[in-house]
Amino acid sequence: GAVVSQHPSWVICKSGTSVKIECRSLDFQATTMFWYRQFPKQSLMLMATSNEGSKATYEQGVEKDKFLINHASLTLSTLTVTSAHPEDSSFYICSANDPGHTAVRNYGYTFGSGTRLTVV
Amino acid sequence: AQKVTQAQTEISVVEKEDVTLDCVYETRDTTYYLFWYKQPPSGELVFLIRRNSFDEQNEISGRYSWNFQKSTSSFNFTITASQVVDSAVYFCALRRVSGNTPLVFGKGTRLSVIA
Repeated sequence: GAVVSQHPSWVICKSGTSVKIECRSLDFQATTMFWYRQFPKQSLMLMATSNEGSKATYEQGVEKDKFLINHASLTLSTLTVTSAHPEDSSFYICSANDPGHTAVRNYGYTFGSGTRLTVV
Repeated sequence: AQKVTQAQTEISVVEKEDVTLDCVYETRDTTYYLFWYKQPPSGELVFLIRRNSFDEQNEISGRYSWNFQKSTSSFNFTITASQVVDSAVYFCALRRVSGNTPLVFGKGTRLSVIA
């Protein structure tokens, strides 16, 4: 149990276009979703925290108008990279929490499989 | 503020050697969780272990073992008789027990096991 499905696994897009990444909790309600970014050979850096039905909280240095996060339902959160540029090329990964779900709560939240974005 | 330090950026060992990955953390919380994750080249994060701050017992799972020393704020990970399949990046992470707080990751240690 406690599976988060993240799509797409990889995407290549042209500079200036927008890309949407989806994370769905398949067997639990994700009340909170964390979005991380990982540049090559670096650690996972938290970008933002979103709670279902409210605005996301962005970490310092992350442009909220560029990285749009929507958490409209308890099973779906989306990250849209708007007007993507080559420097946005990175590995994006989501992580979901559900305090009522033991497996998710106890095992450090459940991670999606990640999306590798390449902007050309 | 919370911080996780993995001082070893890259480690290379020959198959069957034992290897220890170091993790030192900082937190003002009295209760917290510590984690280790494995990230293979495909990118997904594989959960390995969670340790509560109030439980200092060491744990062994097959070839893996973890040494939690609260006095030195360390949570080290040892792989015994390493195998090529152990090659990956390993992350140590920390989070508060209460609330919907995110994991704070160390910078990771890239382990290469050579046949």
